[in-house]
Amino acid sequence: NAGVTQTPKFRVLKTGQSMTLLCAQDMNHEYMYWYRQDPGMGLRLIHYSVGEGTTAKGEVPDGYNVSRLKKQNFLLGLESAAPSQTSVYFCASSFRTETQYFGPGTRLLVL
Amino acid sequence: KQEVTQIPAALSVPEGENLVLNCSFTDSAIYNLQWFRQDPGKGLTSLLLIQSSQREQTSGRLNASLDKSSGRSTLYIAASQPGDSATYLCAVRLYGGATNKLIFGTGTLLAVQP
Repeated sequence: NAGVTQTPKFRVLKTGQSMTLLCAQDMNHEYMYWYRQDPGMGLRLIHYSVGEGTTAKGEVPDGYNVSRLKKQNFLLGLESAAPSQTSVYFCASSFRTETQYFGPGTRLLVL
Repeated sequence: KQEVTQIPAALSVPEGENLVLNCSFTDSAIYNLQWFRQDPGKGLTSLLLIQSSQREQTSGRLNASLDKSSGRSTLYIAASQPGDSATYLCAVRLYGGATNKLIFGTGTLLAVQP
C-alpha cells in the first residue's frame, strides 16, 4: 500500500515549456486535490476532483489544467510554464470529506 | 474570505519543554479543523482532526483544542522531543457543498534542541 505517490520528484523547466505532473493513489479514494506551496503563502488549492471524470477549480487555477480519467490518477498540466509557477506541488486524496492524505511533493523550478 | 493565521512563525525550545502552537481563523463557520505535521522535503501528515462540535482531541503527547466562537485553536505538545522538530500547519474546512476544500495557515516551524 503505497498511499499517494507523485511523479516526478523534481523538475527544471524553461519558460514556455509544458509538462504534466502525475499523482496516483491506491486507497480507492474518490476525492483528489492539487495544491501548491510557496514560502509565506501556505498551501493553496489549484484544482480538485470529486470523482472519475470530474474536475473543478480551486483557489489558484490559472495556468493549470487537470484530468481525472481514472479514479486512481489525477494529472496536473502546465501548458506554458512561467517563473511564477516555481513552487512545490502536492497532491492529496481523501475518502469523500474525511482526512486528506498527501503525497511527498514535486519541486518545480521554472527558469 | 476565510483567513488562517499561525503565530509564531518559528519556535525553538529545549527538549522536555511543554509548548503551545496557535492557530486563528477569521470565519467561525467551519466544519472542522485539522493539524498537520510537515517534515523537511516531505508531504503533510494529519495529526488531529477536531469537528466543529468538539472542544478538543488528544493523541499521545498531542492535544488540540478548538474555540469556534473566538476563532482559535491550539496544539499542545507535552514533553517535547527532538523528533518533534517539523513544521506544523493548521487547516480549516468550511461549511457548504460536498467538497472537502481546506484553507491552510502558513505554519509554525518548530525546533526542539537536544
